[in-house]
Amino acid sequence: AQKVTQAQTEISVVEKEDVTLDCVYETRDTTYYLFWYKQPPSGELVFLIRRNSFDEQNEISGRYSWNFQKSTSSFNFTITASQVVDSAVYFCALLQGGSEKLVFGKGTKLTVNP
Amino acid sequence: GAGVSQSPRYKVAKRGQDVALRCDPISGHVSLFWYQQALGQGPEFLTYFQNEAQLDKSGLPSDRFFAERPEGSVSTLKIQRTQQEDSAVYLCASSVYPGLAGGGPSSTDTQYFGPGTRLTVL
Repeated sequence: AQKVTQAQTEISVVEKEDVTLDCVYETRDTTYYLFWYKQPPSGELVFLIRRNSFDEQNEISGRYSWNFQKSTSSFNFTITASQVVDSAVYFCALLQGGSEKLVFGKGTKLTVNP
Repeated sequence: GAGVSQSPRYKVAKRGQDVALRCDPISGHVSLFWYQQALGQGPEFLTYFQNEAQLDKSGLPSDRFFAERPEGSVSTLKIQRTQQEDSAVYLCASSVYPGLAGGGPSSTDTQYFGPGTRLTVL
């Protein structure tokens, strides 16, 4: 069975702090895909990144970076120098090879205070 | 270009009423997905279309839920005899190709989501 665990329900930081959102996944497949989405108060899920199981290279996009480690089944997301506009709920999701269903974690609510 | 749009954005229904939720995917997108998001939870898969064919409806919680996409573009999610437990945000997503499973890794295979319809059943 597939499962995504985001153990941090809520995180609060002060602007310019770095923050890491944890994601641990479970799957029996060797082919799978991992995602991060951002859900601001407006409600729309905004795609941030996709990773396939064969590519463990970490990725950096501006202030965002992702650390994919198959050995620990984790796909953590770090925001460097956080800003108030980063305040949102962040979801990690898993898609198993051969399936079209995204399996989401419960999300982590990030609040960045000025 | 335009993203995924959904209407209405908010819907209040009395228990027992039927409701219809609409999704306009990104133009040209082959795949369309419906998810249900309860308060404080992550979205959960309901059903999936490839063009007009409903290929997976395993997530629909009961036979009161019905989805269609007759011309392979706009989709409607219908809930009959609504119950209070149906209160949730209903999210629609679309992707260009027939899913990552068939097409392999590509940035255009990502599911792009609409703003959702918040359904409240009184």
